[in-house]
Amino acid sequence: QKEVEQDPGPLSVPEGAIVSLNCTYSNSAFQYFMWYRQYSRKGPELLMYTYSSGNKEDGRFTAQVDKSSKYISLFIRDSQPSDSATYLCAMSIPSGGGADGLTFGKGTHLIIQP
Amino acid sequence: DTGVSQNPRHKITKRGQNVTFRCDPISEHNRLYWYRQTLGQGPEFLTYFQNEAQLEKSRLLSDRFSAERPKGSFSTLEIQRTEQGDSAMYLCASSRAQGKETQYFGPGTRLLVL
Repeated sequence: QKEVEQDPGPLSVPEGAIVSLNCTYSNSAFQYFMWYRQYSRKGPELLMYTYSSGNKEDGRFTAQVDKSSKYISLFIRDSQPSDSATYLCAMSIPSGGGADGLTFGKGTHLIIQP
Repeated sequence: DTGVSQNPRHKITKRGQNVTFRCDPISEHNRLYWYRQTLGQGPEFLTYFQNEAQLEKSRLLSDRFSAERPKGSFSTLEIQRTEQGDSAMYLCASSRAQGKETQYFGPGTRLLVL
């Protein structure tokens, strides 16, 4: 079992729909949770990061972390065709914990149909 | 543009040749990371530097791979005696030491080994 599981999709939704993207993880030491967006043949772009449990909102994006279930989500409201990309979740343990690289999911390929 | 830059963007080489990639991080970031991403997968951590010190290496970093950051600014990643399995996107990211979770990625160098 990989440390971070993410459904690769593709996930296809109509423009304007609410999108829900999810990851599960197995390492309870993870405390920081990130979402990156990656367009084809480009580097990942940081969208949001959260610490521990709770919600964080930024414009049309909301990130949720449920540490008790080891489950994180990213919601996109009023989805646009320009949101079509691969969305990667990433996680890390606190500084000094010995593993300073991010652990990524495989990414979910999202398609917003005009 | 003050983002992370990587050169070259694309590299095609023959099996057995050596290749070197360069990464220039965001100027005020003292941490620099290298990741590898293959098709359909999320980035996988290879190594990271804090200033000029290489502080962590992944088990993915075989002895054919070497990374340097001689003056604590730009970094190079060299692959010796390339193999077809080395074909991937090599990504560089940077962050501040405090706030390592917010890593900003460059556009990547896409390597194809023939």
